[in-house]
Amino acid sequence: DTGVSQDPRHKITKRGQNVTFRCDPISEHNRLYWYRQTLGQGPEFLTYFQNEAQLEKSRLLSDRFSAERPKGSFSTLEIQRTEQGDSAMYLCASSPPAPDTQYFGPGTRLTVL
Amino acid sequence: GEDVEQSLFLSVREGDSSVINCTYTDSSSTYLYWYKQEPGAGLQLLTYIFSNMDMKQDQRLTVLLNKKDKHLSLRIADTQTGDSAIYFCAERGSSNTGKLIFGQGTTLQVKP
Repeated sequence: DTGVSQDPRHKITKRGQNVTFRCDPISEHNRLYWYRQTLGQGPEFLTYFQNEAQLEKSRLLSDRFSAERPKGSFSTLEIQRTEQGDSAMYLCASSPPAPDTQYFGPGTRLTVL
Repeated sequence: GEDVEQSLFLSVREGDSSVINCTYTDSSSTYLYWYKQEPGAGLQLLTYIFSNMDMKQDQRLTVLLNKKDKHLSLRIADTQTGDSAIYFCAERGSSNTGKLIFGQGTTLQVKP
């Protein structure tokens, strides 16, 4: 079990560019979550997948954000037309059907210049 | 609404016990969690407690849950310098998706 992995670990981009992040959950974990964490704060929920179905999206997830989990395994989070306010750590977590425990990846730190 | 609050900072001496406190608002929370985050890293699940329990012990960690007061604490016995990190309390939100609601985190500083 290699844990949850995320790629890239760091991304620096210019305002207005599009970025895409990838998350590979622990195998056999059917539940996948994306969170965003800004400096000095706890993570905030963005979206949730059960297998390939996206079942909940936070109000934080504006129209510029889209997430997919096409085959119920890895997931991608895309941010279009990035803004400086998007600078944050983007965390992915996965959970087995039971018990209800989320395991986090190392995160992708996004810096928008 | 759902909200989780923690004190921001705790400083202890190596070898002492640390107690980190948390209050939450959602009385229907089924699970409560403690995570540890070291600088620049993701969150490490330390322990969790189901809401029908009032205590859980796991090696140096003891979790106490007072459901009436909606108060959760994490006690770390024999605190080591390697325990220095940010500790997050989280509750399982009331939606069916199991999303977590986190506190702001408590920075634990362990002095040698």
